Amino acid sequence: ETGVTQSPTHLIKTRGQQVTLRCSSQSGHNTVSWYQQALGQGPQFIFQYYREEENGRGNFPPRFSGLQFPNYSSELNVNALELDDSALYLCASSLDRNNSPLHFGNGTRLTVT
Amino acid sequence: GNSVTQMEGPVTLSEEAFLTINCTYTATGYPSLFWYVQYPGEGLQLLLKATKADDKGSNKGFEATYRKETTSFHLEKGSVQVSDSAVYFCALSDKKDSSYKLIFGSGTRLLVRP
Repeated sequence: ETGVTQSPTHLIKTRGQQVTLRCSSQSGHNTVSWYQQALGQGPQFIFQYYREEENGRGNFPPRFSGLQFPNYSSELNVNALELDDSALYLCASSLDRNNSPLHFGNGTRLTVT
Repeated sequence: GNSVTQMEGPVTLSEEAFLTINCTYTATGYPSLFWYVQYPGEGLQLLLKATKADDKGSNKGFEATYRKETTSFHLEKGSVQVSDSAVYFCALSDKKDSSYKLIFGSGTRLLVRP
């Protein structure tokens, strides 16, 4: 059984640029959630996707957007990057959107300079 | 809103010492409670969970009991190993409408010395 995989593992971008992060969910999982983990902090919920629709959002501005594809993989897009966007971005998949355990990938480390 | 508070780290212990990492929460309703562990350079791994009051979650020698009266979910292990060195996160489930998310504490770094 393949777990949650994220790409790329590391990324360096310049302030103002745009970035796309990718996530392949675990086999059989139809729900994907994205979290931002700043250095030394706990993960913060960005949004959740269920069957290709956004299904809940945390306190993040609209320049954070996402997609989920028919195979349940997902993308996180961030426009107009700011220095404070530097963080580890974690993707988690689950069997469904209600109370199923979250299985996390190893994350993408984004550095904005 | 719902929140989780963890003791600040780092917690430094010698091998075979007893471990306690404190976690308290604020929540409406009856959330599930979790402990996740993060090893260097990796994502989060679910360590244990409890879904209702008085439940005890356990895994790999770690235990935590869901205490509704004290709103706590402290993590314990009787004898730590060097390989337990990692960052530990306490979390609770938060369900709003059809959305389900986890709210995490800020993490506690554990360093176990040989």
